[in-house]
Amino acid sequence: AQTVTQSQPEMSVQEAETVTLSCTYDTSENNYYLFWYKQPPSRQMILVIRQEAYKQQNATENRFSVNFQKAAKSFSLKISDSQLGDTAMYFCAFSDYGGSQGNLIFGKGTKLSVKP
Amino acid sequence: SQTIHQWPATLVQPVGSPLSLECTVEGTSNPNLYWYRQAAGRGLQLLFYSVGIGQISSEVPQNLSASRPQDRQFILSSKKLLLSDSGFYLCAWSYRGGKAFFGQGTRLTVV
Repeated sequence: AQTVTQSQPEMSVQEAETVTLSCTYDTSENNYYLFWYKQPPSRQMILVIRQEAYKQQNATENRFSVNFQKAAKSFSLKISDSQLGDTAMYFCAFSDYGGSQGNLIFGKGTKLSVKP
Repeated sequence: SQTIHQWPATLVQPVGSPLSLECTVEGTSNPNLYWYRQAAGRGLQLLFYSVGIGQISSEVPQNLSASRPQDRQFILSSKKLLLSDSGFYLCAWSYRGGKAFFGQGTRLTVV
């Protein structure tokens, strides 16, 4: 069975600085998706970034980028120029490619606080 | 455009009462559907998922059940609620394992 592990329950960063959130996963699949979702206090889940496992190039979305290490099964999220609005729970997630197995597994989350 | 509706937003139920939470999706066909539970300040625990009508997979043994009577309808039920069923319930859908779209969530308090 697939598992997703986030080893940092809480983190904090000063506004405008850079922070990296860690995620490791375990799967026997070769093709799959990895995601980072953000959950602000409103509890609405927001997709931050997505990575297809067959792509070697790391995904980027504005201030958000990932370091995808397939062999190490590691998928970290880097937030540059942190903003107060980045304060939220961040979840790493795994999904099987094509969705036929229906797996969409989340880690336990990292609570990020951005301090002014 | 695709949207997902989940209701009610808040629910307070006595122990031993039944439960029915409903989730409907618009703008897509044959989505994967999911029910998650989130304890306060914690991660998302996958409860059920469905890859098609009438196909339900359960991830954890519990006091809950799920049904998918129509392609874009996913229902979470219980015959008798327990105190431990309290939590925040999220419905989600995805297409072929891609980006997931989430409902607004239901905060369930069992008293």
